[in-house]
Amino acid sequence: GQNIDQPTEMTATEGAIVQINCTYQTSGFNGLFWYQQHAGEAPTFLSYNVLDGLEEKGRFSSFLSRSKGYSYLLLKELQMKDSASYLCAVLDSNYQLIWGAGTKLIIKP
Amino acid sequence: GAVVSQHPSRVICKSGTSVKIECRSLDFQATTMFWYRQFPKQSLMLMATSNEGSKATYEQGVEKDKFLINHASLTLSTLTVTSAHPEDSSFYICSARDPLAGDTDTQYFGPGTRLTVL
Repeated sequence: GQNIDQPTEMTATEGAIVQINCTYQTSGFNGLFWYQQHAGEAPTFLSYNVLDGLEEKGRFSSFLSRSKGYSYLLLKELQMKDSASYLCAVLDSNYQLIWGAGTKLIIKP
Repeated sequence: GAVVSQHPSRVICKSGTSVKIECRSLDFQATTMFWYRQFPKQSLMLMATSNEGSKATYEQGVEKDKFLINHASLTLSTLTVTSAHPEDSSFYICSARDPLAGDTDTQYFGPGTRLTVL
């Protein structure tokens, strides 16, 4: 079966760095997405990785290792507004998005 | 980035009535749109894939006669929840794929519609 695992909840301090991991087992791979979702709102696109390596976008970076079925989202200089759920999703061989359950990130002052 | 709108943002209806939710791509043409629902504290669940000019493809377990999808134009898809019941209360989110966004197959999400059935 297809499976995406990410931690249920993480806590970090304002100004610090946090890494949210995602591991996947899917039928085929055509890319991995990270989305941010604030409570009661729709997801917002953060990043897309299809090749191994690190993609940096301002305070957010996303890393992919296809051989290990592993990705992480790195958030630097955390701000209170970064408190949200972070969803990992993989595009499988049929170009269907397989969603992880999301990681709830709690930022403390 | 691409913008997707949804209307209404919130709707409360009586059991047995039908509710229509609209999803529009504002600055691009979307040949494919997706409809998701999300229960509290759970991940997104794909309900159906909507293709312009053809019938929607429903995921297993989703009743096509209850959740009617119409993708009549390249910028508009509608989801109609027919004979709604309290268990249909959920957050419904649409997304659209921008065919001109390179190879990313990125989906851009609408803001969602919160449906409450009394």
